Amino acid sequence: DTGVSQNPRHKITKRGQNVTFRCDPISEHNRLYWYRQTLGQGPEFLTYFQNEAQLEKSRLLSDRFSAERPKGSFSTLEIQRTEQGDSAMYLCASSLRRGLQNTEAFFGQGTRLTVV
Amino acid sequence: GESVGLHLPTLSVQEGDNSIINCAYSNSASDYFIWYKQESGKGPQFIIDIRSNMDKRQGQRVTVLLNKTVKHLSLQIAATQPGDSAVYFCAENSGGSNYKLTFGKGTLLTVNP
Repeated sequence: DTGVSQNPRHKITKRGQNVTFRCDPISEHNRLYWYRQTLGQGPEFLTYFQNEAQLEKSRLLSDRFSAERPKGSFSTLEIQRTEQGDSAMYLCASSLRRGLQNTEAFFGQGTRLTVV
Repeated sequence: GESVGLHLPTLSVQEGDNSIINCAYSNSASDYFIWYKQESGKGPQFIIDIRSNMDKRQGQRVTVLLNKTVKHLSLQIAATQPGDSAVYFCAENSGGSNYKLTFGKGTLLTVNP
């Protein structure tokens, strides 16, 4: 499978625990995006990377959230001290940027987080 | 703030009919729009896109129409099939060239056999 891969697919955690999700983008894609989607809503942008540099963060990304892409390949999204309001599907997408042109973004299957 | 929204939250059609899903956007500076299909438990799947210098684009069984005057976007699916049943989202590129997308709420399309 050469698409965007996310792990785990599902995560149930107790409130207050830390969780980490992983995203492996399409191999040649240099841009990687994280989105959050709650039930019945469209995805909301959280942050994106070009290679290893985190270029933008949404106001939705509180201090408890941190994302990294250390080698410009896979990325991790960590949520510290989880709250019930963090329950959502966390989606990763990747695209290839050459010069001023972007390919379309391809999404992974998402990680569904449930905080109990 | 600026947002993208949908006129109809649900649409039910008969197999073989044509489907039209509508979307209104409010950011007049948006220059790129995408339709995504999302099946239950899966991530959004790219269907078709259109840039603001066009008013129509066709793909396989799908057509996207863009009316910049009224800030309206539509997705037409010809000969709708049961496999087309899903939630459809329109999205706009609100971040210039960085492909940061703003999604609408979604329309649930149900195709009846």
